Amino acid sequence: QSVLTQPPSASGTPGQRVTISCSGSSSNIGSHYLYWYQQFPGTAPKLLIYSNNQRPSGVPDRFSGSKSGTSASLAISGLRSEDEADYFCAAWDDSLSGVVFGGGTKLTVL
Amino acid sequence: QVQLQESGPGVVKPSETLSLTCTLSGSFISTHYWSWIRQPPGKGLEWIGCFHSSGRTKCNSSLKSRVTTTVDTSKNQFFLRVTSVTAADTAVYYCARGNREDIFDYWGQGILVTVSS
Repeated sequence: QSVLTQPPSASGTPGQRVTISCSGSSSNIGSHYLYWYQQFPGTAPKLLIYSNNQRPSGVPDRFSGSKSGTSASLAISGLRSEDEADYFCAAWDDSLSGVVFGGGTKLTVL
Repeated sequence: QVQLQESGPGVVKPSETLSLTCTLSGSFISTHYWSWIRQPPGKGLEWIGCFHSSGRTKCNSSLKSRVTTTVDTSKNQFFLRVTSVTAADTAVYYCARGNREDIFDYWGQGILVTVSS
C-alpha cells in the first residue's frame, strides 16, 4: 500500500488530453514539493516534473504538473504513442522522514 | 554528462548481506545528495535512503535497522549494504542523484538483485 495514491491505469487516444492524479496528505503533498517520474519498461525512471510544475530541460511542454492542497495532477496534452509508460508521483513525507512514491499509473495510448 | 552505474552480485542468499556499489562520472560525490531506490519486479518504487557528503544521512524507517550507506569520495563511489535479506528484498536497485534530498534528477540503469538460495 503506497503512501501516495494513484490510479493504477489511464488511457487515451492520440491527440487527446489525459490527466493522472496523485493524492496524499498534509505531511507530504500538503507541505512539500511534488515530483513526477516517467518510466518505460526495462529502463530507469526519468524526472518529468519537479517542484510541482517545473519541467527539466528537454521535457516537452505537452507535460504539465499542478498541485492543490494534498493532491496533484500530471496532464499530458496532444497524447502520442511514445507517451505510453508508467508514471510515478513522489514527495517528501514529514511523518516518515523520507521520500514516498505513488504506486504508479500505467498509461496506455489506444 | 552525469552517469551513474550500479554494480554488485545479481544473486544473494537469504539471511546474507546485499552489497552494491554506485560509480559516478561527470559529477562529484562532494556535491549533491545521493540516494538508493529499489523496485520489486512488476511493482512500484521504494526509497531506501540518501546521504550528503556533509554527513547528513536519511533512511527509510522500515529498512533503517538493516541498511548502511557509505561513500569513498576518492573513487567517486558510494555503497549500499542491506543485511539479513529475504525474498522481499528482491528488486531492481537504482542509485540516483539530486540537488535536494527529495529529488532524483539522474539515475543509474539499475541492477536486478535476486534473493535466492
